[in-house]
Amino acid sequence: KAGVTQTPRYLIKTRGQQVTLSCSPISGHRSVSWYQQTPGQGLQFLFEYFSETQRNKGNFPGRFSGRQFSNSRSEMNVSTLELGDSALYLCASSLGAGFSYNEQFFGPGTRLTVL
Amino acid sequence: AQSVAQPEDQVNVAEGNPLTVKCTYSVSGNPYLFWYVQYPNRGLQFLLKYITGDNLVKGSYGFEAEFNKSQTSFHLKKPSALVSDSALYFCAVRDNRGNNDMRFGAGTRLTVKP
Repeated sequence: KAGVTQTPRYLIKTRGQQVTLSCSPISGHRSVSWYQQTPGQGLQFLFEYFSETQRNKGNFPGRFSGRQFSNSRSEMNVSTLELGDSALYLCASSLGAGFSYNEQFFGPGTRLTVL
Repeated sequence: AQSVAQPEDQVNVAEGNPLTVKCTYSVSGNPYLFWYVQYPNRGLQFLLKYITGDNLVKGSYGFEAEFNKSQTSFHLKKPSALVSDSALYFCAVRDNRGNNDMRFGAGTRLTVKP
C-alpha cells in the first residue's frame, strides 16, 4: 500500500499570500488530520476530517481552513500568510476518527517558508 | 481535555545500555496511548500503542512501553540502545470518551552515543 502523500514538499511564499497544501491518505483510510510542527511550539493539532466532515478543530485562527473530498483526499488552506506560519505541515491518516484507537500514519510533510 | 507531558527535552545514553523516554498523561476517561518516532526531515512513524489489556506493550524495532494507570505514565523503553535509535520521540494520547483529537507531547530527543 502506498503511504500518505503530501504535495508540494516545499513551498516559499511571501507575507500576505495564500497557500493550499494537499494530502492523499492511505487507501481505505477515511480520517485525515493536519498538524503544524515548529521548533518552538512542537506538534500542534490543526483539524481532523472524517468522511468529508470536520470532526475536530485546534486553536488556530480562521486563516487556517481545510476540507476533505469524497475520495478522502484533503486540502488545507492558509490565507494572508504571516512569518509565524513558517513550519512543517504534517498530514496523517487513519481508519477512524474522534474516539478511535487507531494509530495515525504520517506523510513526509510540506515545509512552508514565509518570507 | 486530554494532555501529555514529556518531562525531558533530551536523553543521552551509550550504545548497548537500556534507554527510557518518559511520558505522563491526563485524560477524563481512559487513555489510548501512542509512541511515535521522527527522523530528520521525515514525518512521524508509529512505534506502538496501548488500548487496553496487558500493561506492557511491545512495538517496532525492539521498543516497548509500560502503562501505569496509578502514575498516569506510559514510558518508552528499550533493553539495549542502538546508535540508529537516535531520533525525536513523541508520546501521544487520545481520550476514549467522546469525539476528540490526538494530543502530542513536546518530544524528547534521544541521542545514543557509540
